[in-house]
Amino acid sequence: AQSVTQLDSHVSVSEGTPVLLRCNYSSSYSPSLFWYVQHPNKGLQLLLKYTSAATLVKGINGFEAEFKKSETSFHLTKPSAHMSDAAEYFCAINDMRFGAGTRLTVKP
Amino acid sequence: SAVISQKPSRDICQRGTSLTIQCQVDSQVTMMFWYRQQPGQSLTLIATANQGSEATYESGFVIDKFPISRPNLTFSTLTVSNMSPEDSSIYLCSVEAQGYEQYFGPGTRLTVT
Repeated sequence: AQSVTQLDSHVSVSEGTPVLLRCNYSSSYSPSLFWYVQHPNKGLQLLLKYTSAATLVKGINGFEAEFKKSETSFHLTKPSAHMSDAAEYFCAINDMRFGAGTRLTVKP
Repeated sequence: SAVISQKPSRDICQRGTSLTIQCQVDSQVTMMFWYRQQPGQSLTLIATANQGSEATYESGFVIDKFPISRPNLTFSTLTVSNMSPEDSSIYLCSVEAQGYEQYFGPGTRLTVT
């Protein structure tokens, strides 16, 4: 069975500083991996996806993620956090399984 | 992309009653998915609904409690039966795109009293 593990339940950064949200995966074959964002009282929106093409994937709103097979990781990054990035972030794998989520707080 | 709507957006129900949630997609899709998201938690897959066949339920979810209909390629319903306060949650439907990403409806916020 495939699974994803989000290593941090809560990440807090200051506005303008880098964001790192960590996700490890477990799969017996090369998976498709996704990051979704959920703002308070809103639906889930796809940020980016990896489907075995380029290992560095760029998404919306300045986010990107790098697929590292040797580390079984798919961490989400952004160079400079904005207040509007405060939300819940979910890593997912291609059999519809989601990680536990990481709540991102951005301090002014 | 796909645009998905859900009805109702929220409801407050008495324990022991049932609620049917509707999910409408603006394009034809093969598979639709139903998730539950309990307060402050991640998404848990309830079942996968293919048009023309019975839904496939995940471990811990049964058809008697969560019957699903899929009458055509753009519509599905999920019923939460004989509700208890533990069923209070957000229920989401989604569809899978060709690139395996999912598009989600806005969710139905259910409170059982």
